[in-house]
Amino acid sequence: QQPVQSPQAVILREGEDAVINCSSSKALYSVHWYRQKHGEAPVFLMILLKGGEQKGHEKISASFNEKKQQSSLYLTASQLSYSGTYFCGTEGRDSSYKLIFGSGTRLLVRP
Amino acid sequence: NAGVTQTPKFQVLKTGQSMTLQCAQDMNHNSMYWYRQDPGMGLRLIYYSASEGTTDKGEVPNGYNVSRLNKREFSLRLESAAPSQTSVYFCAVTRDSGNTIYFGEGSWLTVV
Repeated sequence: QQPVQSPQAVILREGEDAVINCSSSKALYSVHWYRQKHGEAPVFLMILLKGGEQKGHEKISASFNEKKQQSSLYLTASQLSYSGTYFCGTEGRDSSYKLIFGSGTRLLVRP
Repeated sequence: NAGVTQTPKFQVLKTGQSMTLQCAQDMNHNSMYWYRQDPGMGLRLIYYSASEGTTDKGEVPNGYNVSRLNKREFSLRLESAAPSQTSVYFCAVTRDSGNTIYFGEGSWLTVV
């Protein structure tokens, strides 16, 4: 079951914040976040394994609400380099290794 | 240290032709994946191999076959290519469930 991402697209001014959400209808073992630039392979951002776990890297962080089967990616003080498409991927508790990605959120950061 | 290597990088096929996409990794990781990505779309799982000797279907396996030749190599075969299989194909590897997944650079396939 493909996770659902929202919003589908976001346009920001440099320095603004954004939140991207990912929800699943299945109980989750892990949530992965990746960013992809046009014409390139997806690049790893972070993985969340435990309910309630929050991880951060510089100005990009994420949370995982295991009970709600949801994860959110937080982008603060956005930079031009943050532009790209963000994908969440989920592994179900009953189907580990089977990593299914959402349809993506396109983020454009303008000067 | 190449990481994940896919060959070929670009290929044009005629409808009905067959071909094999090769993926090799030098990361000594256990699990390998094949995804396809249509223009402007997300990644869809075709097949995966949790460990050497095992393969399982993903979301869109029809029209494809896979072989986990050994721990390093995982190939994807199109027996009779169709225009609907025009896509970018990504191979990916991970050490184990719940770990970082590393992607190859992609193989651009056009079926005419």
